Amino acid sequence: NAGVTQTPKFRVLKTGQSMTLLCAQDMNHEYMYWYRQDPGMGLRLIHYSVGEGTTAKGEVPDGYNVSRLKKQNFLLGLESAAPSQTSVYFCATLSGASSYNEQFFGPGTRLTVL
Amino acid sequence: DAKTTQPNSMESNEEEPVHLPCNHSTISGTDYIHWYRQLPSQGPEYVIHGLTSNVNNRMASLAIAEDRKSSTLILHRATLRDAAVYYCILRPTDDMRFGAGTRLTVKP
Repeated sequence: NAGVTQTPKFRVLKTGQSMTLLCAQDMNHEYMYWYRQDPGMGLRLIHYSVGEGTTAKGEVPDGYNVSRLKKQNFLLGLESAAPSQTSVYFCATLSGASSYNEQFFGPGTRLTVL
Repeated sequence: DAKTTQPNSMESNEEEPVHLPCNHSTISGTDYIHWYRQLPSQGPEYVIHGLTSNVNNRMASLAIAEDRKSSTLILHRATLRDAAVYYCILRPTDDMRFGAGTRLTVKP
């Protein structure tokens, strides 16, 4: 089992360019999350999904869009990248709503916007 | 939303026990207390969770106050590999928010 994978691992964009980050999971988990982590800071929740076809905003959703067309994939889109979006992006999954479930994280995508 | 408060940083010596505190004074009766840690250049990983009773696993122990308004993650013998940021989170909440956590430095 691969667990949670993220594509790509690294990316450099110019201001104004667009891109999509892909998170894939093979654990059949219902919930999926996108976080960003700036240097020396904690994780901040961007968007999340509690099931296929659903999405919800987190703490810092502006400038990002997401889609969950398939249960195993959660896409994070940047329509017009800005230098302030330079960060490491982590995807995570959760098997369901039960309070004792644990999150599983991907290895991260390091994004630089010039 | 129930929130948690943790010290920004702590230091420990190698081979000594470490007690990482977390305050959660607005915890509700059904909230579980979860701990995660993030090693350098990695995504967070689950450490332990509990509801009311103290819990032990191969990584750590979790001591929960009787009134549940605080908890302590205990690393029994800190190693250099335990240097990480430790996060305390309450569930249930669908939007899992991590906060800044406690950065643990382990000195040889």
